[in-house]
Amino acid sequence: GAVVSQHPSRVICKSGTSVKIECRSLDFQATTMFWYRQFPKKSLMLMATSNEGSKATYEQGVEKDKFLINHASLTLSTLTVTSAHPEDSSFYICSALGASGGPDTQYFGPGTRLTVL
Amino acid sequence: GENVEQHPSTLSVQEGDSAVIKCTYSDSASNYFPWYKQELGKGPQLIIDIRSNVGEKKDQRIAVTLNKTAKHFSLHITETQPEDSAVYFCAASKGSSNTGKLIFGQGTTLQVKP
Repeated sequence: GAVVSQHPSRVICKSGTSVKIECRSLDFQATTMFWYRQFPKKSLMLMATSNEGSKATYEQGVEKDKFLINHASLTLSTLTVTSAHPEDSSFYICSALGASGGPDTQYFGPGTRLTVL
Repeated sequence: GENVEQHPSTLSVQEGDSAVIKCTYSDSASNYFPWYKQELGKGPQLIIDIRSNVGEKKDQRIAVTLNKTAKHFSLHITETQPEDSAVYFCAASKGSSNTGKLIFGQGTTLQVKP
């Protein structure tokens, strides 16, 4: 149990295009999902908190118009990187709360490697 | 806000030896402390967690201890194996009744030499 998937696992795009990343909780309903960004050999940096049916809460310094988050159902959240630029290249990881492991336990997806040319 | 410090940044041990990673946190309201293992190119995997009403928790070769007074917690891995080699992250949270947000430490790269 407590499986979180992400799609795609890897994406390469041209500068100026938009990229959508999906995060799904496969065997539980996620009350809350989180989106993180991770640079090489660095820790995870929280970008935003996503609650089903409501607007995402963004961390300080994260541009909400650039990183659009939609949490349409209890099993799906999406992150869209709009007008991507090379500096947006990174490893994006989502996590989900609400599994049977406990109300506080976050389970992470496998991550999406974004490369912007 | 909460700040989590993790040491050491790198740790190299011989197979069969024990490994200890330590974290300190700043916010006394934090009450949930998970540990994650991350292999290269993959998402973090929860390996053990502890809540503030417990001082120690063990799961086979892995144990976590928590000292609320000193605001520090530690991960102990005994009888290390090469497959334990990975980056380990500690984290602290005020729980899902708050925002549920995790604040991560900087990570420890563990290398287990065969």
